[in-house]
Order: sequence, then C-alpha cells, then structure tokens
Amino acid sequence: KQEVTQIPAALSVPEGENLVLNCSFTDSAIYNLQWFRQDPGKGLTSLLLIQSSQREQTSGRLNASLDKSSGRSTLYIAASQPGDSATYLCAVSEDWTGANSKLTFGKGITLSVRP
Amino acid sequence: NAGVMQNPRHLVRRRGQEARLRCSPMKGHSHVYWYRQLPEEGLKFMVYLQKENIIDESGMPKERFSAEFPKEGPSILRIQQVVRGDSAAYFCASSPRTGEQYFGPGTRLTVT
Repeated sequence: KQEVTQIPAALSVPEGENLVLNCSFTDSAIYNLQWFRQDPGKGLTSLLLIQSSQREQTSGRLNASLDKSSGRSTLYIAASQPGDSATYLCAVSEDWTGANSKLTFGKGITLSVRP
Repeated sequence: NAGVMQNPRHLVRRRGQEARLRCSPMKGHSHVYWYRQLPEEGLKFMVYLQKENIIDESGMPKERFSAEFPKEGPSILRIQQVVRGDSAAYFCASSPRTGEQYFGPGTRLTVT
C-alpha cells in the first residue's frame, strides 16, 4: 500500500528565503507525482506534475525534482514571499487510468512566510 | 475552458438527511475522482468513475455512500442518512487521458 509522508508538518520562514519542501513515498512504482497548493478553506491548485520518466519540472520560482528510486521528491521555492503562505500537498499515482490512477496524498506542509 | 465545477460550495444537513454533491468535470475530461478531506487529516480517495461506470470504489464507505457519473449531466456523490462524522470537505477532480488531475473548489458539508 502506497504511503506518502511530508515532514515537517509546518514551516515558518522569513520573506526572501529559499526553501525546500520534502515528500517521500514508499512504493517507487509511480506513474506521476503532483505538487498542489491549498489555501485555507479553498480547493487545490496544481503547481507541478512530474511524470515518472522525468527528473524535474520548473514553473516560475518553483522547481520540483523526483528521485523515483529513492522514493523522494522536493519542491524548491526561490525567494519566498508572504503570498506563498499556504499548505503544500504532494500526491502520487501509480497509473494514468484504472484502479491505480487514484492519487495518494501526504498530509501536507503548512508554510508561513513572515514579512 | 471552465475548470472543474462543484456545487453547492457549502451544504448544511441535519443528522439523518441526505446530501447530494455535484461535480461537473472540465470539458473533454471523462475521468472523475472524488476525495474527502476530514478535519486534521489528509485527502483520501473515495471513488473513481468514467461515464456510466464505477472503476474503483475502494475508498468508499460500505454503507450510505454512493456515486454515479451518468452519460449526461454531472457526477453525483450521494450520502444517505448523514451523521456528524460525515462533516468534511469533498473534492472532485477530473482528468483527461494524461493522468493529471484538476480539482474543483470543493463542497464543505456540515452535519448538525
């Protein structure tokens, strides 16, 4: 059974700091990995998707890497801003369709960026 | 292209009533997933549907919960005889054949 872990559960940093959010998963036979952002009381916004054949994806100040063999992904946020404050969720799927296409989520890292 | 739509956004039901949650996937998406987020817990998969078919319902409670995705119209998650423990945020996601899932804003169910 796939399990996804995100540690720590919460993180507080000063504005401008570069930071790394970690995600680990127990079964390396994944199809893709997605990073999401969730603001309080809101839905999920997809930030980056990495296919299992890829090593990393970049979007603006965000960079996500994937090391499938070790069961790890990191989300790098450059020059953090107060507007980055949110909960960041990592999720994996084991196929693109069928019963294994469901996402297994970590519990998230709640990030607070202090002005 | 409108995103995934869910309604209602907030739903209040008394214990024993029925709750119906609707999800309209993005245009061109034929895969729908329902997830539940309980307070202080992570998002958990409930059910995966394609048009007129339930593909995987391994995350659905055995009783009181059902889901459908008819040929026409939105996907419906139905909870009969709601209890306080059903209070949660229910999210729908849709996907094209690429596997990336796009989430709706969620329905927040409160059972009083």
